[in-house]
Amino acid sequence: DVKVTQSSRYLVKRTGEKVFLECVQDMDHENMFWYRQDPGLGLRLIYFSYDVKMKEKGDIPEGYSVSREKKERFSLILESASTNQTSMYLCASNGEAAGTGELFFGEGSRLTVL
Amino acid sequence: AQKVTQAQTEISVVEKEDVTLDCVYETRDTTYYLFWYKQPPSGELVFLIRRNSFDEQNEISGRYSWNFQKSTSSFNFTITASQVVDSAVYFCALIIGGANSKLTFGKGITLSVRP
Repeated sequence: DVKVTQSSRYLVKRTGEKVFLECVQDMDHENMFWYRQDPGLGLRLIYFSYDVKMKEKGDIPEGYSVSREKKERFSLILESASTNQTSMYLCASNGEAAGTGELFFGEGSRLTVL
Repeated sequence: AQKVTQAQTEISVVEKEDVTLDCVYETRDTTYYLFWYKQPPSGELVFLIRRNSFDEQNEISGRYSWNFQKSTSSFNFTITASQVVDSAVYFCALIIGGANSKLTFGKGITLSVRP
């Protein structure tokens, strides 16, 4: 079974802190994604990557950056956390060309910024 | 631009009732894929189905069935004889064919099944 593992289920950070959210998948998938989920807004794409060292902006990239140094790992970085970044963050991967296949999700990381 | 609308936000039913979750999509592309995902209280989204735009055949999987109608741009999901374990948030999603496409999700429907 594909497994997507997010490093932390729950984090509490202070405004201005730098935050790293790590995601690792074990199925050699080319495509990886970061979403945030907020009540009433559904899932919104932050960044995605179709290959190592490659990244593309999603719909809401402001305030975030990403890193994909290895195929299995996709990190989301909040350079200076703000309270409006309090949210559930979901990482996903898939192995199909153009990303049209089934997404496999991690369990999510719930971030609270105080 | 593509869009997915799930007009229902919350649905509550009693166990054994049938329930239909609506999904309406918008896209100008002729090649696209539609999905349904389930998010139980544990938080991890689980894939339920993928349908491509050239396959309008309805699908049934146990108590779950999907009705895809291009004429109305809808991809509705019906749970027959609902159970408490069906309680979850359900998302409909759309991606167009082609390189580097992005999956667009609807806002989700929270389904509560009461015993």
